[in-house]
Amino acid sequence: GESVGLHLPTLSVQEGDNSIINCAYSNSASDYFIWYKQESGKGPQFIIDIRSNMDKRQGQRVTVLLNKTVKHLSLQIAATQPGDSAVYFCAALAPSGTYKYIFGTGTRLKVLA
Amino acid sequence: ETGVTQTPRHLVMGMTNKKSLKCEQHLGHNAMYWYKQSAKKPLELMFVYSLEERVENNSVPSRFSPECPNSSHLFLHLHTLQPEDSALYLCASSQDSQGTIYFGEGSWLTVV
Repeated sequence: GESVGLHLPTLSVQEGDNSIINCAYSNSASDYFIWYKQESGKGPQFIIDIRSNMDKRQGQRVTVLLNKTVKHLSLQIAATQPGDSAVYFCAALAPSGTYKYIFGTGTRLKVLA
Repeated sequence: ETGVTQTPRHLVMGMTNKKSLKCEQHLGHNAMYWYKQSAKKPLELMFVYSLEERVENNSVPSRFSPECPNSSHLFLHLHTLQPEDSALYLCASSQDSQGTIYFGEGSWLTVV
């Protein structure tokens, strides 16, 4: 079946450094991807999205890169801050049906002071 | 403020109780969802409603019963749950089937 996987369950970075969180998806027909941030005790918060006709999209301090050849997605956070500490997960819109997103399990980002 | 409001935020219920989770979206979307989030597992889609009609039901036990009276409100009625049903239940909404999904803060459910 379709799947989305994250490469590392935990990532620790120094405050001020850049963070890179990776995600792999299985279905090459997926054409829409979203990154979410989930802080402790809260629901997932939309960060940034990208469609398959793009390979890069930038937001405020965040960049998403899409490599369709290897079915890989990454989230880059510039100048990581303590408030960035959270679980990050990606979601891929399942092309096999509507309303269905495939979610990854998440990478916990820890920002070290 | 996420645009999707869930109540209650925390719920403890016995296995013989009946309770309901409520969700309201203020985004003008036409689709609403219930997801279950358990520790170290990906989000599991439970139900999807589009324009108040159920369009997805992912083999969810009948002890979970959804209700969508209008496009802004969604309920999850709970009856005779099991301890393994303890989880974070997330409501979400989107515009159409391919739209970005926005989540509420979730309802933490503990079944004792």
